Amino acid sequence: GNSVTQMEGPVTLSEEAFLTINCTYTATGYPSLFWYVQYPGEGLQLLLKATKADDKGSNKGFEATYRKETTSFHLEKGSVQVSDSAVYFCALRTVDSSYKLIFGSGTRLLVRP
Amino acid sequence: DTGVSQDPRHKITKRGQNVTFRCDPISEHNRLYWYRQTLGQGPEFLTYFQNEAQLEKSRLLSDRFSAERPKGSFSTLEIQRTEQGDSAMYLCATQGAGEKLFFGSGTQLSVL
Repeated sequence: GNSVTQMEGPVTLSEEAFLTINCTYTATGYPSLFWYVQYPGEGLQLLLKATKADDKGSNKGFEATYRKETTSFHLEKGSVQVSDSAVYFCALRTVDSSYKLIFGSGTRLLVRP
Repeated sequence: DTGVSQDPRHKITKRGQNVTFRCDPISEHNRLYWYRQTLGQGPEFLTYFQNEAQLEKSRLLSDRFSAERPKGSFSTLEIQRTEQGDSAMYLCATQGAGEKLFFGSGTQLSVL
């Protein structure tokens, strides 16, 4: 079946620190992979995506590379800001006709000034 | 604002009561999804529509849950005889021609 596993949080960092949030997946076929972000009091927003192996998604300084050999899609940012404090969800989109998203459990990031 | 509207934002009900939530999608989006999110977890797929046709339902969607999308426009999710375990955030998401999914802000249900 399809599933996504994320590292547990919260992850607490100081401003300008390097961020890694691990994500691995199990899937039938070769799904598209996504990172969504949920800021406090707001809805889910797409942060970045990758649709095939070795693709790198990037947005707002965040990056993630689709690694088929390790079934991973780790999220990274070189220098976090306080405004990056949010919950981050890794997700895959199934390859069947529904194209539904399967989400990980989320990782809360807290960035201190 | 993503353009996907959900109503109400919050709903408090007593166990055993029926509740109905509404989702208004972005007008040209033909796919509409319902998800449920409990505290500390990621959203879980419940069901989806292609226009007015409900094409897939999760095993999470018990017989007490029903969803409709008349005329392929807005959608409603009804929960009958609510239970405390139904307390969660119910999210609607829609998709148009592209891959991107647009989420509403959700309806937070509390069953007392």
